[in-house]
Amino acid sequence: KAGVTQTPRYLIKTRGQQVTLSCSPISGHRSVSWYQQTPGQGLQFLFEYFSETQRNKGNFPGRFSGRQFSNSRSEMNVSTLELGDSALYLCASSLVSGLNEQFFGPGTRLTVL
Amino acid sequence: AQKITQTQPGMFVQEKEAVTLDCTYDTSDQSYGLFWYKQPSSGEMIFLIYQGSYDEQNATEGRYSLNFQKARKSANLVISASQLGDSAMYFCAMREGDSGYSTLTFGKGTMLLVSP
Repeated sequence: KAGVTQTPRYLIKTRGQQVTLSCSPISGHRSVSWYQQTPGQGLQFLFEYFSETQRNKGNFPGRFSGRQFSNSRSEMNVSTLELGDSALYLCASSLVSGLNEQFFGPGTRLTVL
Repeated sequence: AQKITQTQPGMFVQEKEAVTLDCTYDTSDQSYGLFWYKQPSSGEMIFLIYQGSYDEQNATEGRYSLNFQKARKSANLVISASQLGDSAMYFCAMREGDSGYSTLTFGKGTMLLVSP
């Protein structure tokens, strides 16, 4: 069974631009969560989607948004990029929402210049 | 207060030795799950082991075991017979509650270096 895939793997943008990251969960998994990882703040939860509905949202500004499609694939969008948005963005999928283990993708490393 | 505390920024161990990575957690929920992940330099988070709050026995997965002490709120990861490929960052994480709307909270991580 294929794992979680994320595209693109690397991205370089400039301040003020917007970016869209994509995540395809493990087949059959309906829950997708997004995390931001930076050296200073560590791993922080962005949001979780289950059956196309946002179930939970972390403490991030409205510039960060996401959505989930009927095939469980998910996208996250960051508008008006700032230097501080440079990070590794990790997507994780799980069978259902709740206490189940999450399986992570390889991440998208975003650099904002 | 931090929900997940990993007090060891770095650990060194020789190949074939066992190592324990510490993790303490803070929650008022009765239902929660504890996880350990490994993150090599490539960046991908690799799921290692899971322990549910109602599980009476410590979880084991191959060379990994979780020393779960509920009263002390600790969930230490034990790696037996360390290998060079075990060198990586290790994160302890928790999901709380049984509402189905829970998030994964991570500790700051422990960098493990295995030497020959």
